[in-house]
Amino acid sequence: DTEVTQTPKHLVMGMTNKKSLKCEQHMGHRAMYWYKQKAKKPPELMFVYSYEKLSINESVPSRFSPECPNSSLLNLHLHALQPEDSALYLCASSQDPQQGSYEQYFGPGTRLTVT
Amino acid sequence: GNSVTQMEGPVTLSEEAFLTINCTYTATGYPSLFWYVQYPGEGLQLLLKATKADDKGSNKGFEATYRKETTSFHLEKGSVQVSDSAVYFCALRRGSQGNLIFGKGTKLSVKP
Repeated sequence: DTEVTQTPKHLVMGMTNKKSLKCEQHMGHRAMYWYKQKAKKPPELMFVYSYEKLSINESVPSRFSPECPNSSLLNLHLHALQPEDSALYLCASSQDPQQGSYEQYFGPGTRLTVT
Repeated sequence: GNSVTQMEGPVTLSEEAFLTINCTYTATGYPSLFWYVQYPGEGLQLLLKATKADDKGSNKGFEATYRKETTSFHLEKGSVQVSDSAVYFCALRRGSQGNLIFGKGTKLSVKP
């Protein structure tokens, strides 16, 4: 099973709302990632969790707050977003954060619209 | 720094045509190289990978060979189908660094 699941599939939120995106994998992977993808662009890395600890934050605004409650679950908490934050948010996981040869498996993404 | 350059799209082919999507990279050391495919409205799927020079990755009729001398990882398929219509991303990853570095993506449209 190489599946990464993400919920919800679609999310519309106002600029004053608080919402959360959820990602789950049951492959025993120890690295998990959040990416943001705008239309017709490649994914851009936001955060990396390595063994449940935040290891990379690509200077993401504080209105995005990641959380890794356990090795299978990754959340992205959203608060006071701007319309330009509308994008596809992708979660990914890989077996070993220290080994570059291991591929990343991506979830289907959450399509976020900020109104 | 590390970077990936892909041929600009879109690429439009007729069914059963030969496909080549060029990808070159800049990196120190020995990166691992990947091709991902993204179908409309979906996430990225790993298509194939190669982890060292002269490795050939292959999957679903697609192939790519890791060429260190030309720093290239071109994607090829001998006979494309309408169902291959998607955006293809070339990517590299180095060692203990967590992130994938993507090319800009190439959109492929296959007409019946």
